[in-house]
Amino acid sequence: QKEVEQDPGPLSVPEGAIVSLNCTYSNSAFQYFMWYRQYSRKGPELLMYTYSSGNKEDGRFTAQVDKSSKYISLFIRDSQPSDSATYLCASAGSADGLTFGKGTHLIIQP
Amino acid sequence: DADVTQTPRNRITKTGKRIMLECSQTKGHDRMYWYRQDPGLGLRLIYYSFDVKDINKGEISDGYSVSRQAQAKFSLSLESAIPNQTALYFCATGNGQFPYEQYFGPGTRLTVT
Repeated sequence: QKEVEQDPGPLSVPEGAIVSLNCTYSNSAFQYFMWYRQYSRKGPELLMYTYSSGNKEDGRFTAQVDKSSKYISLFIRDSQPSDSATYLCASAGSADGLTFGKGTHLIIQP
Repeated sequence: DADVTQTPRNRITKTGKRIMLECSQTKGHDRMYWYRQDPGLGLRLIYYSFDVKDINKGEISDGYSVSRQAQAKFSLSLESAIPNQTALYFCATGNGQFPYEQYFGPGTRLTVT
């Protein structure tokens, strides 16, 4: 079992909808929780990060971590076609390297 | 110019051949990483380096070796390529002060026939 589990999708929603992306993790030592976005034929880029539990908001994006249930979420409000990409959740306990989920392929239909 | 560059971008090679993938960065970061990405398996860490004299194995290092020639250069070698090493390979850099943030190169698509 991977330390970070993520449904690969694809997840298809209409433009303007609220998108909910989720991951679970198993390693209690993880302290940093990240969401990376990867467009086709590109490398991943950091979208948001959270340290320990709690919420973080950045424009249309909200990242949420619940350490008691080991659950990581990303919410996208007012979704746009340009949000279509693969979203990778990742966790880290230190700087050894990030542990990634498989990625969820998101499609926003115009 | 891109901060993290990878060469080649695409490569087709035959089973048993030795191949090297190269990564260079201009971000001034001390930490560099090599990942491979496979459909259905996500990104997996192969090797990482915290400085020129520090090399560490990741989750899937068997069949690979690395060399950190300078702070800005980190190469990945496949000594004898096999078909199941066909994948997308990414180099990444990081700053030790921010363990959550890594900057990825554009990737190298490697096909082993």
